[in-house]
Amino acid sequence: EAQVTQNPRYLITVTGKKLTVTCSQNMNHEYMSWYRQDPGLGLRQIYYSMNVEVTDKGDVPEGYKVSRKEKRNFPLILESPSPNQTSLYFCASSPLSGKAYRKETQYFGPGTRLLVL
Amino acid sequence: GQQVMQIPQYQHVQEGEDFTTYCNSSTTLSNIQWYKQRPGGHPVFLIQLVKSGEVKKQKRLTFQFGEAKKNSSLHITATQTTDVGTYFCAGRKTSGSRLTFGEGTQLTVNP
Repeated sequence: EAQVTQNPRYLITVTGKKLTVTCSQNMNHEYMSWYRQDPGLGLRQIYYSMNVEVTDKGDVPEGYKVSRKEKRNFPLILESPSPNQTSLYFCASSPLSGKAYRKETQYFGPGTRLLVL
Repeated sequence: GQQVMQIPQYQHVQEGEDFTTYCNSSTTLSNIQWYKQRPGGHPVFLIQLVKSGEVKKQKRLTFQFGEAKKNSSLHITATQTTDVGTYFCAGRKTSGSRLTFGEGTQLTVNP
């Protein structure tokens, strides 16, 4: 089954304790992205990646790191989490065709709810 | 940078009423996509529009892409309680580039 998986689904941690949220897709997609969703603010992009070893900042990258060593995985790293990073996080992936008419549907993972105390 | 704005932020309707959400981009888009997120769920792809002036229908949902490819709308006819959720538009400036999401419109439907 084609899917995007995220782990963990729920996480409670304390300020300053490094954590990693994993994201994996089995659709051979080039494009992967991380979003955070907060009430009233919609989906804000943290980082995205066009392909292996190619990553770029989104709208709210401060306090986050990513890596793309393999096509299927795109982990999100919080080196020193703070309470303002408490949020719902979504990983997503899509193909990249370079053609406007080709469907570049973005598939979302189930989300990771993070609470930083 | 590219911005995609969506209005309204919230919409409350009685079941059977129509609903429309609007999406505007600061730049011309290569294509635009619409997603629906049910409460407690993740965004799910609805449709992609590519051509200037394009109109597509999915049952009670009608999607339009503006002539200038800078705006789009989603119209739901005769809403049902199953339509509850947040609707997002998302656009690409060029094919194969970053996908930028609007803030979403949260729809509630009173039975």
